This record gives sequence, structure tokens and C-alpha cells, in this order.
Amino acid sequence: DAGITQSPRHKVTETGTPVTLRCHQTENHRYMYWYRQDPGHGLRLIHYSYGVKDTDKGEVSDGYSVSRSKTEDFLLTLESATSSQTSVYFCAISEQGYSGANVLTFGAGSRLTVL
Amino acid sequence: GQNIDQPTEMTATEGAIVQINCTYQTSGFNGLFWYQQHAGEAPTFLSYNVLDGLEEKGRFSSFLSRSKGYSYLLLKELQMKDSASYLCADMDSNYQLIWGAGTKLIIKP
Repeated sequence: DAGITQSPRHKVTETGTPVTLRCHQTENHRYMYWYRQDPGHGLRLIHYSYGVKDTDKGEVSDGYSVSRSKTEDFLLTLESATSSQTSVYFCAISEQGYSGANVLTFGAGSRLTVL
Repeated sequence: GQNIDQPTEMTATEGAIVQINCTYQTSGFNGLFWYQQHAGEAPTFLSYNVLDGLEEKGRFSSFLSRSKGYSYLLLKELQMKDSASYLCADMDSNYQLIWGAGTKLIIKP
């Protein structure tokens, strides 16, 4: 079904440890995004990619880095996790990117808890 | 500035009609999206409006007024499975989506 999978789906870690979340797609879409979702907030863009090795920052990029070495994989890394990074992280893909009709398809989400 | 406002929660009765409003103040505009998100699941695309007026898709319709910075999602013949959060997002001049916090819709029998 999905064409977009995230791993891990759930993770509990301690403050100061590094964490990597993986997003894998089988749709060959050019654009990939990482969002976080927190109660009382809309989805907030962390980083996005418009091609292999082409990435850019979103509105809440501090404390996060990304890499995209293959079309199908987009990794989100928290170099040193903090409690404020406890959240649900969604990966999304789209075909069009810089176009009005830019429909996103989301992964199932990764719930991260930083103690 | 960029701001999206929608009610936090609404309650409606099975079989009825409900209208979920969304107002936006984004500088630059490239369209208004609605997504549905069931609890614990991923958002899924419902509709996209870029021109003024009403777009109908089965039981769901979406309306846009660009001059008023206003949109609504209309759900008819409500079913229990429509219980979900409904996310409004507008696309700014850089083609980035600005998301509202979502409206949690509770359907009662």
C-alpha cells in the first residue's frame, strides 16, 4: 500500500543521545519533507529535500540535520536529543514541490520521547 | 505575517451537516488545502482550492474566498468514521505549506 515507510515508529531515548529517523519511499518522488506535530500547533516543517543531496531548512530546523544520499531515503538526525524534541515526526513526499497542487503523502509517523 | 486559524474542537451528530472554518493571513497565496487526520494516524489529503468558490467531492465540499482570507470544509451526512481532526493549510508565495493546529471533530450518535 503505502509507498512511504518510517522507522522506527516508536522510540524512547535519553537527553543528549543521538537519534536518527528514517523515511523510505518507493514512489520515486523528488520532494521529501520532515515535519513535527505537537499538541496545539500545526504541522511544522523541519527540513525538506528537492533531490538527492539537495536539502533546505524549514521553520524549526535548529537541532536537526538531514541527509538524502538516494532518492528513496531521507534521514532526520537529532545530534543531541533534548526534551523539547519529544514529538511525533512525520515524513511526507510529493511529486511537484514548487507548484500549487502540491499534494503531500504522509508516512505513518514516528513517536519520539526524550527523557 | 503568516497565521492560520481554525476552531480547536467541534461536535456534531451522525447524519447531520457540519462546517469547519479556516481563516488565513499569509502574505502571498498559492492555494488552500484540507487534510483529514484520524487519531494516531497520518494526515490524508481531502481537497485543494486555488480559485474562489465551492468544490464538491461526494459528501465533502470545500469553499474558498481569497478576498476574505477564508475557507470552509463542509461535511454532509456525517458518519461515525468522520470523527477525526481536520487540518487547514495554505501555501505561501514560496510554495511552503503553513498549517493550522487542526479542528477535532467529534461525531455523536
